[in-house]
Amino acid sequence: DIVVTQSPDSLAVSLGERATINCKSSQSVLYSSNNMNYLAWYQQKPGQPPKLLISWASTRESGVPDRFSGSGSGTDFTLTISSLQAEDVAVYYCHQYYVPPRTFGQGTRLDIK
Amino acid sequence: EVQVVQSGAEVKKPGESLKISCKGSGYSFTDYGVGWVRQMPGKGLEWMGVINAADSDIRYSPSLQGQVTFSVDRSTRTAYLQWTSLKASDTAMYYCARQRGGGLLDVWGQGTLVTVSS
Repeated sequence: DIVVTQSPDSLAVSLGERATINCKSSQSVLYSSNNMNYLAWYQQKPGQPPKLLISWASTRESGVPDRFSGSGSGTDFTLTISSLQAEDVAVYYCHQYYVPPRTFGQGTRLDIK
Repeated sequence: EVQVVQSGAEVKKPGESLKISCKGSGYSFTDYGVGWVRQMPGKGLEWMGVINAADSDIRYSPSLQGQVTFSVDRSTRTAYLQWTSLKASDTAMYYCARQRGGGLLDVWGQGTLVTVSS
């Protein structure tokens, strides 16, 4: 199985500041035939289902604010929130959908400092 | 509007059976799969597996193989997750989600809370 590890487990950032969450997979999720990284980012607020923010490592879903961005390739990925807003308080998960079982990271809890 | 709507919360006793549902609307149901994800109380997300809505091809997570059953009814655009004998450790929130080609879970249901307690 591909193990997906996020860091840090939690972080607190001041409003308007940058938040960065890292995700590392135990093997590459880059499919050479199409040059796509099978890596997604989800946001889960308390009492709500996960919401897809980023697919293919860096493609922002429709309606997702442009302060959210994804980067990386192969085994190392990053989710960046450029200017933290109060509504961004949530748990963030990365998820590899390259091969079954399609594993999630353990989650990163993001709070306001 | 694309929607995935799950059945309501359940409270069951150990050893009982259960089938929960997940209904898709606003899209061509058989062009996508339905994935299932478990979230135990206070924990993270765990991929359980996926069923292809067109041909019912299934991939289970090895950790759950034999413990649950996926099925789909194309006439009602509904997917199901079933247990034959629940355990206390099955207590969790269960999410279904539409799966795009390539394996991406994009639209999620609201979740079904399953509580198993004697």
